[in-house]
This record gives sequence, structure tokens and C-alpha cells, in this order.
Amino acid sequence: SQQGEEDPQALSIQEGENATMNCSYKTSINNLQWYRQNSGRGLVHLILIRSNEREKHSGRLRVTLDTSKKSSSLLITASRAADTASYFCATGSFGNEKLTFGTGTRLTIIP
Amino acid sequence: ETGVTQSPTHLIKTRGQQVTLRCSSQSGHNTVSWYQQALGQGPQFIFQYYREEENGRGNFPPRFSGLQFPNYSSELNVNALELDDSALYLCASSNPTGFDYGYTFGSGTRLTVV
Repeated sequence: SQQGEEDPQALSIQEGENATMNCSYKTSINNLQWYRQNSGRGLVHLILIRSNEREKHSGRLRVTLDTSKKSSSLLITASRAADTASYFCATGSFGNEKLTFGTGTRLTIIP
Repeated sequence: ETGVTQSPTHLIKTRGQQVTLRCSSQSGHNTVSWYQQALGQGPQFIFQYYREEENGRGNFPPRFSGLQFPNYSSELNVNALELDDSALYLCASSNPTGFDYGYTFGSGTRLTVV
């Protein structure tokens, strides 16, 4: 079963604009991670935020986490054509060896 | 430092057959996890291996089995293939605390069952 839902399911924006996608989850977590997947191939780890953190930055990426609302958002600034991909959030919990993935957001950057 | 390597990249099998998928973990990683990703869905956890022992299993039937070798490489075996087993199978490696730092995924094996 999927842990969470990403919103929106699909997003198309012009190159240079910012892209925001959201993730909601159901159970208590120790961390939340975001992954990118190009054309149905392997997943690339983008960023991890721990449950005691509220915001984290990495290059053009900004992630927020609200544990009270069980939600997270991923912001990609100054989007590029190469950012076109599917983005998944995944949650991890101590004592539970698996990552539980959401359903993904398909992002298309229009040149 | 090499990443995670999976083989083969594509595979077509007939319903009822058996299949073995292979994964070489990233150097320094001793934990391997397998995920199944159906078309249009997020990956689903199959199982994880640590030090050659199964270390957790998702909601998959016993016909999904695995192995981890002393060099930390791994195999996923699926018996009695069903049409619904058609999916992208992803291998991910990490160190034991990897879930708190992120996993390294391979490019996957696309399995089609006909």
C-alpha cells in the first residue's frame, strides 16, 4: 500500500518558473525523502529531511516538513528542461526497514 | 565509487515461468532492498537483505524470494510468474543506517510477463 499521496499528480510549467509539489503521509515518521525518476528508470535521491527539521535546502531544492499536518512540500526554483521527471516522496521510520513511497508527481518543463 | 548495477535491463517471460534478477550494490553498502514498481505507481517494498539474511519483507507472496551473497550482491527470484508481475524491479543499496541518509537505486529491470 502507498503511504502517501503527492499533489498534483501532474504539473506543467514554463522553463524558469518555480515548481511546487506536495506530499501527505499517514503514519509517524523519522524522515521523509524525495526522489526523482526519469522515464521509468532508476530513482535518484534528491534530499532527506528528518522529523525534527522543518526546512532544508539543497541547491535549487527547498523541502519543508510539517509533522503536525503529516505533509511535506518540494520546491524547485528556476526550473530547467532537465527537471522534467516524476518526483516521489518516501517516508522512513526507525525499526521499519522499508521506504514507503507516494504515488508521484509528473513534472513537465516546457522550454 | 561504482553505483548500483542491475541486470538484465529488460526481460520477457511467459506466465508460469521463473525469473532471476541480479543486483550489485554500491561499494561500501552492505544492505540491499528490492522494490516493485507497477506502471504509473510508486515503488512497493518487496524485501531487504542485510548480512545475507532477510531483514524485513513487504506484502508479497512466498514465490518472491531473494538471496544476498558475501560480496553484498543480491538476487530476486520470482516463481510461477503471473501477468501482474509485469513491472519495473528496482534494487537499492545502503549502509545499515542508510534509510536515514537515503538509498542508492539501480536503473531497474523491466519485466514483462506474457
